[in-house]
Amino acid sequence: HVQLVQSGAEVRKPGASVKVSCKASGYTSTNYGISWVRQAPGQGLEWMGWISVQNDNIKYAQRFQGRVTLTIDPVTSTAYMELRSLRSGDTAVYYCARELPAPGDYPRVDYFYYMDVWGKGTTVTVSS
Amino acid sequence: SSELTQDPAVSVALGQTVKITCQGDSLRRYYASWYQQKPGQAPVLVMYGKNNRPSGISDRVSGSASGNTASLTITGAQAEDEADYYCYSRDISGNHIGVFGGGTRLTVL
Repeated sequence: HVQLVQSGAEVRKPGASVKVSCKASGYTSTNYGISWVRQAPGQGLEWMGWISVQNDNIKYAQRFQGRVTLTIDPVTSTAYMELRSLRSGDTAVYYCARELPAPGDYPRVDYFYYMDVWGKGTTVTVSS
Repeated sequence: SSELTQDPAVSVALGQTVKITCQGDSLRRYYASWYQQKPGQAPVLVMYGKNNRPSGISDRVSGSASGNTASLTITGAQAEDEADYYCYSRDISGNHIGVFGGGTRLTVL
């Protein structure tokens, strides 16, 4: 039974940083990555980035480039998302999710990705 | 283009069939995945690939893809299907980043 357990709610002042953790359990293979997705109050889902568990491959959404860092501790199977220079617009629920590749089939033969397990979310509030 | 476009809101009468669509250039190349989200809860995967349902998802839910459009169909809609639905895909730029659609709020009347 695969689980992702996230760290608790955080409150930060503008300009500060926050680091959210996401501990995976119940899965031994390394053929997956962890994506981070956020949802501001009343808004939709926003993809922030992805880190491979298997290698050093990391991808960031352009709007977070330079402000977010994704890391993984393979010993503890824990992923981390650090967001810096926080502003009020960063107030949101932050989710981690296991993202898996899967082969396509004709005519979409390329591998596609899907998120099959999600953490419960970590609320980050940025307020002075 | 890295955008995925969904209708903001769709309604369906109880017991009827509804199709939720997602459009984007990347869907010509990659299959989408679909997520259901109820208020105060984390998203749940309900469909991925051409028409793959995760374990535990009702067989009233099906998926399809054609051209630049992915669709999620719910037959015999029930009250518990009322939720927000999001499509997702990697984009077709060199960076291969992830993109969600804006979401569709499904109301069951």
